[in-house]
Amino acid sequence: EAQVTQNPRYLITVTGKKLTVTCSQNMNHEYMSWYRQDPGLGLRQIYYSMNVEVTDKGDVPEGYKVSRKEKRNFPLILESPSPNQTSLYFCASSLSWQTGELFFGEGSRLTVL
Amino acid sequence: GENVEQHPSTLSVQEGDSAVIKCTYSDSASNYFPWYKQELGKRPQLIIDIRSNVGEKKDQRIAVTLNKTAKHFSLHITETQPEDSAVYFCAATLVTSGTYKYIFGTGTRLKVLA
Repeated sequence: EAQVTQNPRYLITVTGKKLTVTCSQNMNHEYMSWYRQDPGLGLRQIYYSMNVEVTDKGDVPEGYKVSRKEKRNFPLILESPSPNQTSLYFCASSLSWQTGELFFGEGSRLTVL
Repeated sequence: GENVEQHPSTLSVQEGDSAVIKCTYSDSASNYFPWYKQELGKRPQLIIDIRSNVGEKKDQRIAVTLNKTAKHFSLHITETQPEDSAVYFCAATLVTSGTYKYIFGTGTRLKVLA
């Protein structure tokens, strides 16, 4: 089954404790990206990757890191989480930038205390 | 900076009526305009999209129109049904100076009243 898989789905952590949210797709997609969803603010792009080893900042990259060492994986790293990073996070992928349609993962709800 | 404005933030319609959601984008370089539907507790899913070389596109009860001059695009849902109740997001892609971003609107919560 074609899918985008995120883990963990739910996480409660404390300020400053490094965490990684994994994202994996099995569709051989080139383009992958991360979004955070907050009430009233919609979906905001954090980082994106055009292909392996090619990443760039979205609109709200502060406090986040990413890597794209393999085509299928695009982990989101919070080196020192803060309460303002409490949010619902979505990973998404598309075949390429040109094809457009994003396939989203199920989301990861993160709470930072 | 680049942004996409979406209106209204909430919309209630009677079953069978039409619903219209409007978006405005800021950067004339945008060339792809998708609409996503997000049901409660679920992931966003694409329902329709349009590219900048097309003015209108239809798929059964949903349609999207694009006015490039005014930098407006709209989602039209006819004969609404209770299962259309969800949050709808418009988006615009932006390709400029080597960046490839997706900019989403803030969402419209549509309630279809039976």
